[in-house]
Amino acid sequence: QKEVEQNSGPLSVPEGAIASLNCTYSDRGSQSFFWYRQYSGKSPELIMSIYSNGDKEDGRFTAQLNKASQYVSLLIRDSQPSDSATYLCAVKEAGSYQLTFGKGTKLSVIP
Amino acid sequence: GAVVSQHPSWVICKSGTSVKIECRSLDFQATTMFWYRQFPKQSLMLMATSNEGSKATYEQGVEKDKFLINHASLTLSTLTVTSAHPEDSSFYICSGQPGGGITEAFFGQGTRLTVV
Repeated sequence: QKEVEQNSGPLSVPEGAIASLNCTYSDRGSQSFFWYRQYSGKSPELIMSIYSNGDKEDGRFTAQLNKASQYVSLLIRDSQPSDSATYLCAVKEAGSYQLTFGKGTKLSVIP
Repeated sequence: GAVVSQHPSWVICKSGTSVKIECRSLDFQATTMFWYRQFPKQSLMLMATSNEGSKATYEQGVEKDKFLINHASLTLSTLTVTSAHPEDSSFYICSGQPGGGITEAFFGQGTRLTVV
């Protein structure tokens, strides 16, 4: 059974701070890792994808992957109230189209 | 990113009736699309994998005779909820992947189904 674990939160950070979201996964065969943002009542929106160990930066977002520890994280710098949403971690194994999602972490950025 | 369009965005139907939800890939061809269901405050639960030109693959516990999936073309997959009941009320979301080296999945807008 493939599992993706996330702290459900809510995670509250003040505006301008760094928000750190964490995710662990059970399947060592996982090759692709994604972070999605989901606003209440809306469908998920892709924020970041990462495939190799290390950091990947895109604007205020940085994804970090450590395959040895089966751990992936998302850092949001200079958090804004508009970042308040549920962040879903998803993983995919090699050769598969199917994503396995975590339950999501609810982030609240306090003005 | 690639665009997936889902219609309708919300629907209210009477118990016992059927509802069809459409999922279209607008700028890519999708041999495989996925249908998810999401209950309030819960994560996405994969219902089935829709394969163009063949039968869908359903996840354990999902009734294939109740949730009919048709993927007749490379840009359109449909989910029909048959004989809907109030417990089928949920947020249904489809996703597709462009392929061709693109591994990200892109989601439709979702359909809020309320069965009364």
